[in-house]
Amino acid sequence: EADIYQTPRYLVIGTGKKITLECSQTMGHDKMYWYQQDPGMELHLIHYSYGVNSTEKGDLSSESTVSRIRTEHFPLTLESARPSHTSQYLCASSDSGVGEQFFGPGTRLTVL
Amino acid sequence: QKEVEQDPGPLSVPEGAIVSLNCTYSNSAFQYFMWYRQYSRKGPELLMYTYSSGNKEDGRFTAQVDKSSKYISLFIRDSQPSDSATYLCAMDGGWGGSNYKLTFGKGTLLTVNP
Repeated sequence: EADIYQTPRYLVIGTGKKITLECSQTMGHDKMYWYQQDPGMELHLIHYSYGVNSTEKGDLSSESTVSRIRTEHFPLTLESARPSHTSQYLCASSDSGVGEQFFGPGTRLTVL
Repeated sequence: QKEVEQDPGPLSVPEGAIVSLNCTYSNSAFQYFMWYRQYSRKGPELLMYTYSSGNKEDGRFTAQVDKSSKYISLFIRDSQPSDSATYLCAMDGGWGGSNYKLTFGKGTLLTVNP
């Protein structure tokens, strides 16, 4: 089983609050990813990182930001949450090979 | 046209049925093909992983890739209620291709009825 963790699993928060979604992996993977997934819709890549101090925006525009100061840690921050940010956020990682990514359990965010 | 097309279903079958799930794609650079299974309120888990055209079998699961038709399939034999989940196909251009970014289908919701 892949060792990739996300906290919190569920978060309900009011508009305007700053939040950080945590993602950690213990596999030593170089590459990490954040996806957004809405019910019945495909996964959309919002951020990715190929290693420490490397971050890139994904295919779906997002108001969130990410950082990669340590290999194992890839947090996502929303400075001012809005109801439009309500979604499931999935973190994933992969090693230096190709293809397969390992996913965390997800954070389900609700902004009221 | 989306790069990856997948019928979202839902698909409902009786226990023991053979299930066929499919995706089509348009990007000929894709070389690595994956099937993920996602249970409700969980993250996707990798089920099958294949490179280029051909078949791969793992227990009750068989993945097929036909690059000439840009078509991939996942077959589930003797389906069980525990197979009830959303199945997502995913593809990658590999080295020099999509830079390790996967392109996902929308997912097919499968229910296996006891």
